[in-house]
Amino acid sequence: KNEVEQSPQNLTAQEGEFITINCSYSVGISALHWLQQHPGGGIVSLFMLSSGKKKHGRLIATINIQEKHSSLHITASHPRDSAVYICALRGANNLFFGTGTRLTVIP
Amino acid sequence: DAGVTQSPTHLIKTRGQHVTLRCSPISGHKSVSWYQQVLGQGPQFIFQYYEKEERGRGNFPDRFSARQFPNYSSELNVNALLLGDSALYLCASSPGTDLGETQYFGPGTRLLVL
Repeated sequence: KNEVEQSPQNLTAQEGEFITINCSYSVGISALHWLQQHPGGGIVSLFMLSSGKKKHGRLIATINIQEKHSSLHITASHPRDSAVYICALRGANNLFFGTGTRLTVIP
Repeated sequence: DAGVTQSPTHLIKTRGQHVTLRCSPISGHKSVSWYQQVLGQGPQFIFQYYEKEERGRGNFPDRFSARQFPNYSSELNVNALLLGDSALYLCASSPGTDLGETQYFGPGTRLLVL
């Protein structure tokens, strides 16, 4: 049983396209993280959400607690956005991770 | 300011051996968490330590243990290594104990068990 489901698993986009990555979950949570992992393994925290919407530059993250769903949007995508995007849920003394969405942005 | 550091960066061991991985958190951060990421999968939570005490534990066997030192650095120990322990081991730090806080990840240690 997977507490966190991400879609799509893989995504290829042309530079400039609007990107949406989805995260659905089945457990009650108090916070949700969006993370970016580049080749080589380093992980960067993009957002921490407990409600509503957050924006940072070209990145927008939303969460709907009632529907147990979060989305990460990238506007005007760029090849440097190519990475694996992972959502992670804060449970009780634990973090549950999705398997990630591999994004490739083609120039 | 230095970020989270981990050592070693790469490690090769054989089945049955023991391994110790090290993590130094960002200065001022008191919480260290450990994660295992098998190739092609998302990370899995192993432990969280805060102020030298275990605050959370994932679904890992007792072969996995950790500790945190007075300077908040941490070690992850794995005994009786199995081939399936081959993975990227990530450490993250945060100021407080809440895993809902922003986690700052280190570059990871790649462990290969032969």
